[in-house]
Amino acid sequence: AQKITQTQPGMFVQEKEAVTLDCTYDTSDPSYGLFWYKQPSSGEMIFLIYQGSYDQQNATEGRYSLNFQKARKSANLVISASQLGDSAMYFCAMRPPGGTSYGKLTFGQGTILTVHP
Amino acid sequence: EAGVTQFPSHSVIEKGQTVTLRCDPISGHDNLYWYRRVMGKEIKFLLHFVKESKQDESGMPNNRFLAERTGGTYSTLKVQPAELEDSGVYFCASSQVRGLEQFFGPGTRLTVL
Repeated sequence: AQKITQTQPGMFVQEKEAVTLDCTYDTSDPSYGLFWYKQPSSGEMIFLIYQGSYDQQNATEGRYSLNFQKARKSANLVISASQLGDSAMYFCAMRPPGGTSYGKLTFGQGTILTVHP
Repeated sequence: EAGVTQFPSHSVIEKGQTVTLRCDPISGHDNLYWYRRVMGKEIKFLLHFVKESKQDESGMPNNRFLAERTGGTYSTLKVQPAELEDSGVYFCASSQVRGLEQFFGPGTRLTVL
């Protein structure tokens, strides 16, 4: 079974600074995918970034990067140059390697990020 | 391009009543997923459609929940009869390719009194 752990219920960061949101995962499968989603107070879930387990380089999307450390089973999200609009709940998620459950995402508990001006 | 839409945004019903939630995926997305988040807990997978077929329904909690996707377009999730523990936010998502990013709708907040 797959499991995602986000140990930081809440994080605070000053505007324009960088912040790292932690995510560790547990799986016995060699092939898997890792995702980060953002949920602002309006409620919608916004896809941010994806990392495949066999990807050689860390994924990056604009100000978002994923610090993927496979041996440690961690997939931390790094947000550079934080903006007030980054204040939201952030979820880490994982999908299994294949089979009928290939589309099934397992989510962590989420981290609430607050950006201070 | 329109995103995933869900209706209603909120629903308040009494225990024992029936509620039907609707999801319209992004046009052309064959994969449609239902998730829910009960207060204070993680977002949990319910099921996955590929076109009109149920690919994986391992997360459906019990037989009070019925999901359909007739014609492979929109989907409905019916809860009958609703119980107090069914309260939460129900999310629908769709994807063009199975296993890659899923695009979520805004969710339906269900309150069972």
